[in-house]
Amino acid sequence: EDQVTQSPEALRLQEGESSSLNCSYTVSGLRGLFWYRQDPGKGPEFLFTLYSAGEEKEKERLKATLTKKESFLHITAPKPEDSATYLCAVQAHFDEGSQGNLIFGKGTKLSVKP
Amino acid sequence: NAGVTQTPKFRVLKTGQSMTLLCAQDMNHEYMYWYRQDPGMGLRLIHYSVGEGTTAKGEVPDGYNVSRLKKQNFLLGLESAAPSQTSVYFCASSYGGIYGYTFGSGTRLTVV
Repeated sequence: EDQVTQSPEALRLQEGESSSLNCSYTVSGLRGLFWYRQDPGKGPEFLFTLYSAGEEKEKERLKATLTKKESFLHITAPKPEDSATYLCAVQAHFDEGSQGNLIFGKGTKLSVKP
Repeated sequence: NAGVTQTPKFRVLKTGQSMTLLCAQDMNHEYMYWYRQDPGMGLRLIHYSVGEGTTAKGEVPDGYNVSRLKKQNFLLGLESAAPSQTSVYFCASSYGGIYGYTFGSGTRLTVV
């Protein structure tokens, strides 16, 4: 069964204190791994898509990396405005067992204090 | 440049009442989805559609029905609301394939 596990559930950082969020996945055949940001009371907002092990993508203070079993979202020198819940999702290859729909993890709630 | 629009944003229902949630997208996306988000459960897929006139069940379809009569609209219906359907509902759309989803801002539904 395809599965996504994110850790930690919650992370509290001081402004400027770099850290990483983890997304471990089990999928029959990975087509893509997605990172989203969700602010309170809003819908998830797309950040990155990674397709193959070794791939990296960056956006401002965020950098996403991918291995064959997990993905990391590295946050460098975070600011209070980076506070949000970060969601990871995987898409499996289309086959009898999968329609290719995204499977989401439960998210990591990040709080950055000034 | 509206993206995905959900109506209403908030609703309180009594047990047994019915309602329809509307999702509209202006990006000409083929695929549309309805998710529910509950504390500690993450996003769970209710129903989805891969094109106009098509619908399919997701992970948690019981108690819900959907229709996709027009490409830009995806309706989620609750025929007889139950307290277990208290949740935040998100609609999303995509081109399909390897493309990610664009989400609406959600509907917060409370069933009392």
